[in-house]
Amino acid sequence: SAVISQKPSRDICQRGTSLTIQCQVDSQVTMMFWYRQQPGQSLTLIATANQGSEATYESGFVIDKFPISRPNLTFSTLTVSNLSPEDSSIYLCSVEEGATRANEQFFGPGTRLTVL
Amino acid sequence: RKEVEQDPGPFNVPEGATVAFNCTYSNSASQSFFWYRQDCRKEPKLLMSVYSSGNEDGRFTAQLNRASQYISLLIRDSKLSDSATYLCVVNRGYSSASKIIFGSGTRLSIRP
Repeated sequence: SAVISQKPSRDICQRGTSLTIQCQVDSQVTMMFWYRQQPGQSLTLIATANQGSEATYESGFVIDKFPISRPNLTFSTLTVSNLSPEDSSIYLCSVEEGATRANEQFFGPGTRLTVL
Repeated sequence: RKEVEQDPGPFNVPEGATVAFNCTYSNSASQSFFWYRQDCRKEPKLLMSVYSSGNEDGRFTAQLNRASQYISLLIRDSKLSDSATYLCVVNRGYSSASKIIFGSGTRLSIRP
């Protein structure tokens, strides 16, 4: 399976600032995704990062708050803007592997964000 | 009602025991099913896909019951290292992550 790295692994940020998270994959992948996992909760999909076009956002998530870049098939960034304590969470990128409909997802190690 | 529901646990069982979890899903159009494992402060990792005919991987057996809309995970001869949260994942559509729904997880703790 693909090897996925994320930077930073954790950060503590002040309210009102922004954090950009990087996700690097060791192979070219078509589909890259960004998830949020709030404390004690399961994963929620934020958006699908599309190469060469704008990201596709899920209900409740908007581009102004979570701008995403996908400059090539191995890299994506997620920015969490205008931070508030409610943004404290783990942010995970993932890739989808397999050409069949039963695609399986593999996750990066996550970025733990704490907003003060 | 959540689209994918799991008993949050925790399940606390002795080493060597057999333990089973169920996960129910509400969308009958769901196409594919998975079990993921998540250790504390780690990312989820795919444990196994769940096929209609059921599948086994070592001590782990997964089954799908489409009629009753649930999937199950059975762990035999449990080890201390099996302690983790097990996430049920359901894909409502074809090749689209926006249709993937994660359950909230079942916590399993294996005691010596």
